[in-house]
Amino acid sequence: GDSVTQTEGLVTLTKGLPVMLNCTYQTTYSPFLFWYVQHLNEAPKLLLKSSTDNKRTEHQGFYATLHKSSSSFHLQKSSVQLSDSALYFCALSDLSGSFNKLTFGAGTRLAVCP
Amino acid sequence: EAGVTQSPRYAVLQEGQAVSFWCDPISGHDTLYWYQQPRDQGPQLLVYFRDEAVIDNSQLPSDRFSAVRPKGTNSTLKIQSAKQGDTATYLCASSFGGSQNTLYFGAGTRLSVL
Repeated sequence: GDSVTQTEGLVTLTKGLPVMLNCTYQTTYSPFLFWYVQHLNEAPKLLLKSSTDNKRTEHQGFYATLHKSSSSFHLQKSSVQLSDSALYFCALSDLSGSFNKLTFGAGTRLAVCP
Repeated sequence: EAGVTQSPRYAVLQEGQAVSFWCDPISGHDTLYWYQQPRDQGPQLLVYFRDEAVIDNSQLPSDRFSAVRPKGTNSTLKIQSAKQGDTATYLCASSFGGSQNTLYFGAGTRLSVL
């Protein structure tokens, strides 16, 4: 079945530094990748999504590129802010189905320090 | 636009007790999902509906868990006899059809089973 791997459980950074959160996936179908962000005691919210190979997608300063050749969809930001501290989930769906049935990774907690 | 509403926000039970979680999706969204999110893990799909029909409940522990969406709007997830292993946050999400449409999540119900 489908699976998503996020290798870092916790990433701690100083404000203003760049960040990359890793995401790789496995599926036998045509992939549709998502990044969700979950702030403390809040609902997960969509940050980015893409199904287009080798095309960069951006939102709120974050960006990611789907690379089907390496089955990756890493999340990046050039300069993190204190407000970026949250739990980030990579998720996978497939374009063959009629429903957006997401498979989530374990999540990466980003902690930004002053 | 009102988001996905869940209640209660928190529940604390003894093993063997029953509990129900309630979800009010975004108006007009025909698809509703229930996810279980254990602490420090990604959400895992339990069951989802299109209108009032269950599409897939294969991940729902059927001996103790049940879910309904009788009028194709609100939904209830019930645990008949809770176990400590059920301790998790239960997230409800909704979307409007289609495999490419965004899931919108509620803030969840955090369950602790003692």
